[in-house]
Amino acid sequence: AQTVTQSQPEMSVQEAETVTLSCTYDTSENNYYLFWYKQPPSRQMILVIRQEAYKQQNATENRFSVNFQKAAKSFSLKISDSQLGDTAMYFCAFKSRLSGAGSYQLTFGKGTKLSVIP
Amino acid sequence: ETGVTQTPRHLVMGMTNKKSLKCEQHLGHNAMYWYKQSAKKPLELMFVYSLEERVENNSVPSRFSPECPNSSHLFLHLHTLQPEDSALYLCASSQVAGGPYEQYFGPGTRLTVT
Repeated sequence: AQTVTQSQPEMSVQEAETVTLSCTYDTSENNYYLFWYKQPPSRQMILVIRQEAYKQQNATENRFSVNFQKAAKSFSLKISDSQLGDTAMYFCAFKSRLSGAGSYQLTFGKGTKLSVIP
Repeated sequence: ETGVTQTPRHLVMGMTNKKSLKCEQHLGHNAMYWYKQSAKKPLELMFVYSLEERVENNSVPSRFSPECPNSSHLFLHLHTLQPEDSALYLCASSQVAGGPYEQYFGPGTRLTVT
């Protein structure tokens, strides 16, 4: 079974600074999908960024980028020029690429609570 | 409304009550999901429906009973719950159940069992 570990329960960053959230995972598969989701206080969870394991290039979405180290099974999220609206819980998630019932499941980490300080 | 909606947003129920949570998606998706989010625990997938057929049931107690009458609606029927069932229940949908498709989440129903 896959596991996802986020080792930083809470982090804080000054507005306009850069912060990196850590995520490691354990799987025996070679192809899979990785996601970062954001859950602002009392608001809906939304996708931040997605990475397909067979792609070597790190995904980027505006101020958000990932450092995907497949051999190390590491998938960290970097937020540049942090804004107050980035304050949220951030969840790392793994999804199998295999066919069948197991491929429907997103396995989430416990989350990192990020606070952006003015 | 757009996206994924859930009602009610808050629910307090006794252990002997029967209630239902409702989820509706307006995205034309074919897969819908129920998750349980408890404090200090990872999100737990409860059920997956693909094209209105249940395709995954992660050892969820029978006091939780899902229903998917069509691809836009998903219900979670609750009966004789326990206090440890208190949590945020999230509904999500995706274009299809497998593959790289992101899941779109609703705002959740905050359930308190007394």
